[in-house]
Amino acid sequence: AQSVTQPDIHITVSEGASLELRCNYSYGATPYLFWYVQSPGQGLQLLLKYFSGDTLVQGIKGFEAEFKRSQSSFNLRKPSVHWSDAAEYFCAVGAGNTGNQFYFGTGTSLTVIP
Amino acid sequence: DGGITQSPKYLFRKEGQNVTLSCEQNLNHDAMYWYRQDPGQGLRLIYYSQIVNDFQKGDIAEGYSVSREKKESFPLTVTSAQKNPTAFYLCASSAVRGAGNTIYFGEGSWLTVV
Repeated sequence: AQSVTQPDIHITVSEGASLELRCNYSYGATPYLFWYVQSPGQGLQLLLKYFSGDTLVQGIKGFEAEFKRSQSSFNLRKPSVHWSDAAEYFCAVGAGNTGNQFYFGTGTSLTVIP
Repeated sequence: DGGITQSPKYLFRKEGQNVTLSCEQNLNHDAMYWYRQDPGQGLRLIYYSQIVNDFQKGDIAEGYSVSREKKESFPLTVTSAQKNPTAFYLCASSAVRGAGNTIYFGEGSWLTVV
């Protein structure tokens, strides 16, 4: 069965420090992978996605993610975190014959300290 | 601008009353979804629809109902049978064109039972 695991429920980083949020997935076929960000009381905003090609994908707000098939991982990174990056981050897999089954991780809450 | 519009943003309901949350999209997407999110929790799928006049139950459909009379609209009714309806509700949509679709979200609706 398809699943997405975000091992870290909560992460705290200092402003200006680097960030890596972990995501592991379980899916038999080629995965379609996504990262979303959610500010309190808001909807989910797409940060980036991987469908094929270069395994390092660039997204909005200075984020990037690397797909590693051998590790079934799609970790999100940012070289220097800003206070405005404090939010909830969700990893997701798109699956199914019509590509309309989406599986979400439980999210990682990011706190940024000055 | 293209997007997904949810209304109202905040809604209060007395126990025993039904309430309907609106979701409209102008992205020309065939598939639409409703998710429930409890504080500090991940997303749980309530209902989804891949075509007009057809929809399927998700993981937590009990106490909810939907309709899909138009491609652009996918309203969710929270019925009095829903035991604990206070939550944040997210509507989403995606294209249906084989593999590799992206799901997009509205800004969400807060429902509080008083």
